[in-house]
Amino acid sequence: QVQLQQWGAGLLKPSETLSLTCTVYGGSLSGYYWSWIRQPPGKGLEWVGEIKDSGSTKYNPSLKSRVTISIDTSKNQFSLNLSSVTAADTAVYYCARGGVRSTSAWGQGTLVTVSS
Amino acid sequence: QSALTQPASVSGSPGQSITISCTGTSSDVGGYDYVSWHQQHPGKAPKLMIYDVSNRPSGVSNRFSGSKSGDTASLTISGLQAEDEADYYCSSYTSSNSYVFGTGTKVTVL
Repeated sequence: QVQLQQWGAGLLKPSETLSLTCTVYGGSLSGYYWSWIRQPPGKGLEWVGEIKDSGSTKYNPSLKSRVTISIDTSKNQFSLNLSSVTAADTAVYYCARGGVRSTSAWGQGTLVTVSS
Repeated sequence: QSALTQPASVSGSPGQSITISCTGTSSDVGGYDYVSWHQQHPGKAPKLMIYDVSNRPSGVSNRFSGSKSGDTASLTISGLQAEDEADYYCSSYTSSNSYVFGTGTKVTVL
């Protein structure tokens, strides 16, 4: 059974870059979309973006200028970078296998707090 | 892009049926048959319950069903059970080649 384990810094200062990585165990990256979705504390879900195994990406238009999702098939990982963070980027960030239409496995979630 | 509109809360008694609406525009819900529904229990990751308007992933109870009419999609839970108490989020593909989630609905089993 595939498992996703995510990791990255949990506390950032304003203007820093958020970096999270999701490692896939028990399965391959091939043939799937891979997503990042976030959830501010006490609020709803927000789609951040997705990447296909080929490397093609889609991003949330409101974040597009700051977000990069990449994939490393040799390490069975995919990553999220979000630059110039502010307090509004404070959220639990989830990685997931599949696009929004087809999510079939999720990471454990990482709380990222942006505070000076 | 604006979040899709859902009622903040819906409640029902065990065994009853409830319906959650998800209203968008012709640029998202009304324009594509790519509406999904996720269930989220407190402190847990979401779980896909319905995809492409009315399809259930393997393992999801047939008590959950989805439909769409115009710019509004709906999730119906029949035979409501205590374990169905959770937050539910719709989502849709959009004309911006992106996805948008709904505002979320808290389902309470009375």
